[in-house]
Amino acid sequence: KAGVTQTPRYLIKTRGQQVTLSCSPISGHRSVSWYQQTPGQGLQFLFEYFSETQRNKGNFPGRFSGRQFSNSRSEMNVSTLELGDSALYLCASSATQAGDTIYFGEGSWLTVV
Amino acid sequence: DAKTTQPPSMDCAEGRAANLPCNHSTISGNEYVYWYRQIHSQGPQYIIHGLKNNETNEMASLIITEDRKSSTLILPHATLRDTAVYYCIVRAGTASKLTFGTGTRLQVTL
Repeated sequence: KAGVTQTPRYLIKTRGQQVTLSCSPISGHRSVSWYQQTPGQGLQFLFEYFSETQRNKGNFPGRFSGRQFSNSRSEMNVSTLELGDSALYLCASSATQAGDTIYFGEGSWLTVV
Repeated sequence: DAKTTQPPSMDCAEGRAANLPCNHSTISGNEYVYWYRQIHSQGPQYIIHGLKNNETNEMASLIITEDRKSSTLILPHATLRDTAVYYCIVRAGTASKLTFGTGTRLQVTL
């Protein structure tokens, strides 16, 4: 079956703009999580959505937001982009059963100039 | 989530077994040990996970000590394509938040 799909794969934005990234989870998975990866901070958890509700949130400013749709697809948005937001943004999905597997997509590379 | 400790880097000759250790001395009874790897900043690739028993799949074996305070990921016959950063993560139950450390950078050489 298809894996976690993220779009777009690469994008370049200008400081002050906003960006929306999309994630389609594995079929049947209801939980979607987002992570940011930078060289300096490594992989950091942004937030998790389950059944269209944010269930967990990492330590990021309010400029970072997300949502989940009824078909479990998710989007994350970053407003008022800063240079430091340049990163690989990763989406992961799981079935949220004890001992299940969390699968990651290939990520969206965001460059802010 | 329990904290994990891994060596920052390891080398392995191609064709030999790669044994990657992980310490998770504060692990709780309902926490699983997961292993992922990341190649060239692609998305993390799931390798294997376990609770208390040793596990094996087509990619690797996971050996968890009886007291569950440490584990070892074994790649039986390492190839150059196994060069990557390997992350050992402890995950509580159904929690979807994974806390990544800095991992072990495995370099497989000829």
